[in-house]
Amino acid sequence: DSGVTQTPKHLITATGQRVTLRCSPRSGDLSVYWYQQSLDQGLQFLIQYYNGEERAKGNILERFSAQQFPDLHSELNLSSLELGDSALYFCASSPPGTTQETQYFGPGTRLLVL
Amino acid sequence: EDQVTQSPEALRLQEGESSSLNCSYTVSGLRGLFWYRQDPGKGPEFLFTLYSAGEEKEKERLKATLTKKESFLHITAPKPEDSATYLCAVRTNRDDKIIFGKGTRLHILP
Repeated sequence: DSGVTQTPKHLITATGQRVTLRCSPRSGDLSVYWYQQSLDQGLQFLIQYYNGEERAKGNILERFSAQQFPDLHSELNLSSLELGDSALYFCASSPPGTTQETQYFGPGTRLLVL
Repeated sequence: EDQVTQSPEALRLQEGESSSLNCSYTVSGLRGLFWYRQDPGKGPEFLFTLYSAGEEKEKERLKATLTKKESFLHITAPKPEDSATYLCAVRTNRDDKIIFGKGTRLHILP
């Protein structure tokens, strides 16, 4: 158990819908990262937040957005869903300071778009 | 274009048979290179971070090394419980992006 929690574990929805994935980082961690993992693309970095501010951006679609709240939990919003958005979505957190590159991954949310 | 390539895609070894996994990278500036282990249906588990050429890190039967163009994950006398997918990732200096390779699926036969 990494200490990172993600909800829900599974999500089934239809094309065109909007969903919200939630992540709670480990206690004391200030950074939250979001990733998408599919069979053909592998693990893709989406976005990082540090203490509420966007820190780095990867291949995040315009239909996707994220935020980190004052209590440091984060939400990833996926809208106008397409079949190709079906994937495992991971959240990770890392501590501040010299060990900030060590990322602890959550168990993931499996999204199925029908 | 920044990219990370891992080889081989899959590797089957007998228990005790040592080998190495390769991670080749092309980035505009390397901030760090990371190795993770991922078991099926689970999130990746952090193994190592390497920052500069010549750096080495060890943990149990695993040893990671870094050159200016590639990293190796050496597995010494592996056991069946070492079976997993091993992922390599880099973080770029230019824009802080994180790029993962597709991974190497390692299977250790008892």
